[in-house]
Amino acid sequence: QQQVKQSPQSLIVQKGGISIINCAYENTAFDYFPWYQQFPGKGPALLIAIRPDVSEKKEGRFTISFNKSAKQFSLHIMDSQPGDSATYFCAASTGNQFYFGTGTSLTVIP
Amino acid sequence: DAGVIQSPRHEVTEMGQEVTLRCKPISGHDYLFWYRQTMMRGLELLIYFNNNVPIDDSGMPEDRFSAKMPNASFSTLKIQPSEPRDSAVYFCASSYHNEQFFGPGTRLTVL
Repeated sequence: QQQVKQSPQSLIVQKGGISIINCAYENTAFDYFPWYQQFPGKGPALLIAIRPDVSEKKEGRFTISFNKSAKQFSLHIMDSQPGDSATYFCAASTGNQFYFGTGTSLTVIP
Repeated sequence: DAGVIQSPRHEVTEMGQEVTLRCKPISGHDYLFWYRQTMMRGLELLIYFNNNVPIDDSGMPEDRFSAKMPNASFSTLKIQPSEPRDSAVYFCASSYHNEQFFGPGTRLTVL
């Protein structure tokens, strides 16, 4: 059973556009929701994370929106750049038990 | 800190051979995780340790896989005997207070 469902599987965005990746979860015990960015040949790198006591967190061009009642959270990349082209994973955890989404391959076209 | 260190970065072996992957976590981190990543199955958690003690190995695919953490700065994942279906990228990650950091991975190819 997939604990965290991620969509879309792939995404193509024009340079300067907004990239939006969505995740949904079922387990209300999850208390930490990170997003990871992975470039080819590299390990996933922590990008931004949120806890359920806030509805939004912004770091530069990256924003997490969190909807606790709907059990959904999303990553927004503003002013997307070709250098943002990578695979993005959402995750949810309780304690140190992490569950990852299946990943979204983002391509930003110049 | 140099981050999570994994070795080797690439391993090519023949079916039936023993493979040992190594990991040095970030100093001070009390959790260590081993993951496997494939195109078909995505990122799968194999096993994780807390303070060197295995906590959950339910993701280990079968008895051919074993993992140890003899001390806080070293862990191994062993596959014996290896099979072609074990070909994947294996990641080690360590964490402290929920923030998990991944190593660069070991790309394993079993011929």
